[in-house]
Amino acid sequence: KQEVTQIPAALSVPEGENLVLNCSFTDSAIYNLQWFRQDPGKGLTSLLLIQSSQREQTSGRLNASLDKSSGRSTLYIAASQPGDSATYLCAVSGTGNQFYFGTGTSLTVIP
Amino acid sequence: DAMVIQNPRYQVTQFGKPVTLSCSQTLNHNVMYWYQQKSSQAPKLLFHYYDKDFNNEADTPDNFQSRRPNTSFCFLDIRSPGLGDAAMYLCATSREQLRETQYFGPGTRLLVL
Repeated sequence: KQEVTQIPAALSVPEGENLVLNCSFTDSAIYNLQWFRQDPGKGLTSLLLIQSSQREQTSGRLNASLDKSSGRSTLYIAASQPGDSATYLCAVSGTGNQFYFGTGTSLTVIP
Repeated sequence: DAMVIQNPRYQVTQFGKPVTLSCSQTLNHNVMYWYQQKSSQAPKLLFHYYDKDFNNEADTPDNFQSRRPNTSFCFLDIRSPGLGDAAMYLCATSREQLRETQYFGPGTRLLVL
């Protein structure tokens, strides 16, 4: 069964810093990997989707990379802002038509 | 404009009293999903519909049922809620398959007394 791990569980950075969030998965046979943002008590917002054939995707200050062979993805956030404070989750879709989430990294950007 | 709408946002029920959560979407997507998310845990997929085809995850308890009367609406029925069913329930859609971007609703927070 696919296992998705996100480390660290929590991260605090001062405003303006660049930061990297990590996601690892145990089964490299995936269709895609998505990064989501979740604000407290709210639903999830899709940030980036990387197909298994792709290496990276960019949207504004966000850049996600995927190394399928090593089972890793990173989400890079440039010039962090207090509004970036949220929990960031990664999720992979697998060959069994299933969808597995990590437990997330809780990010706090300190003004 | 809201694309995936969940009602109610907060639901309080009593132990053993059936409850129904609703989800509607304006995206005309074929696939709709229900997830359960407990505090500080990852969302867990309960089931999904591809059009009218129902797909139940192997470890979803029998206590949970779902209905999709048309493309726009999907319901989650909990027949006899237990204290362990208190959670956030998230509805999501995707255009065709799990391989595509999922769009989530705001969630319904269920409290069982």
